[in-house]
Amino acid sequence: EAGVAQSPRYKIIEKRQSVAFWCNPISGHATLYWYQQILGQGPKLLIQFQNNGVVDDSQLPKDRFSAERLKGVDSTLKIQPAKLEDSAVYLCASSLMGVRDEQYFGPGTRLTVT
Amino acid sequence: AQSVSQHNHHVILSEAASLELGCNYSYGGTVNLFWYVQYPGQHLQLLLKYFSGDPLVKGIKGFEAEFIKSKFSFNLRKPSVQWSDTAEYFCAVNYPRERDDKIIFGKGTRLHILP
Repeated sequence: EAGVAQSPRYKIIEKRQSVAFWCNPISGHATLYWYQQILGQGPKLLIQFQNNGVVDDSQLPKDRFSAERLKGVDSTLKIQPAKLEDSAVYLCASSLMGVRDEQYFGPGTRLTVT
Repeated sequence: AQSVSQHNHHVILSEAASLELGCNYSYGGTVNLFWYVQYPGQHLQLLLKYFSGDPLVKGIKGFEAEFIKSKFSFNLRKPSVQWSDTAEYFCAVNYPRERDDKIIFGKGTRLHILP
């Protein structure tokens, strides 16, 4: 089966610019996650969708980050405006029903903010 | 606050050595526990998980982990490592009865196996 797709793979922007990431989960997976992984740390959950509804966004910096999941399938994560500390790998994952199901991760987008 | 600690940030072993990577979570109660692995150039993938039942869990590629409730631990073990086990390993915890029903990842342990 096809895995989780993400684009772009790499992005370099200047601070205060905006950026968007796209994720296409595994077909039929109801739950979609966006994680931020800063160098030397583990993935930190930013937002979790169940179909097209938000289950958890408690760690999403809502003043600059936004995310949506269109029709319960694809998802986009946006940062506007970006800060230097947003430099990280942004991982998208999906699972069949919820957190207790195996999460399948995409390759990630490496963002560098200069 | 809910958290996961992985004590070893970087481990170097020779092939055939035994492996144990430590993982502790912050407090008791019902937990679901996971080990994920990221091989060089590959995506994060599930190695094994524990929800309930036998506290000794077997995963892929000869890995196992033991849930010790009294120690809040879920250490990963392998009796004899191979060069192909070189990877980064992440322990993760989920508290299913808490309001924040999400997975929390540790900082990871980078394992390097010498051929």
